[in-house]
Amino acid sequence: DAGVIQSPRHEVTEMGQEVTLRCKPISGHDYLFWYRQTMMRGLELLIYFNNNVPIDDSGMPEDRFSAKMPNASFSTLKIQPSEPRDSAVYFCASSSDRNQPQHFGDGTRLSIL
Amino acid sequence: AQKVTQAQTEISVVEKEDVTLDCVYETRDTTYYLFWYKQPPSGELVFLIRRNSFDEQNEISGRYSWNFQKSTSSFNFTITASQVVDSAVYFCALSGRGKGGNTPLVFGKGTRLSVIA
Repeated sequence: DAGVIQSPRHEVTEMGQEVTLRCKPISGHDYLFWYRQTMMRGLELLIYFNNNVPIDDSGMPEDRFSAKMPNASFSTLKIQPSEPRDSAVYFCASSSDRNQPQHFGDGTRLSIL
Repeated sequence: AQKVTQAQTEISVVEKEDVTLDCVYETRDTTYYLFWYKQPPSGELVFLIRRNSFDEQNEISGRYSWNFQKSTSSFNFTITASQVVDSAVYFCALSGRGKGGNTPLVFGKGTRLSVIA
């Protein structure tokens, strides 16, 4: 079975540009999570969805960040406008149930110049 | 609030040595789940184990073993006869009740394990 698929794997862009990260969860998984990993702050949960509905977005750093899940097989995390401090690895994960393990994608390494 | 503490930031061992990674957690929930994940140098996060709060039995999987002790709020991970391929960052994580009644993961800061040949 295919795992969680994220794209792009790497993104380098200039400050002020819009960035869109994409995620395809494992088929049948009802939960989808977006995380950010930095050296300073470690792994942080940004937002998660259950059945395409956002449940908790309290980890989203500010209004420049937004996430959507238009259907069960696709989610996006958007940063507009991007800033250098947004540089990090962004992971998407999915799970079949709230108590089941989360399976992570390979991450998107984002660099904002 | 949920909290996971991995006090060991970095550990270096020589191949074939045993090594234990410590994890201490805090939660007010009576039902919770503990996890270990591995992040090798390639960067992906790999699930290793899940343990629920009602099951304190130790678990062994090959060279890996886990010791869960509710009395000390610890969930330690031991690698026996370590190998170079075990070099990675290991994360302990806890899920409890969050907003909406669901259970997002809270991760520790991770322990970087280096196994030297």
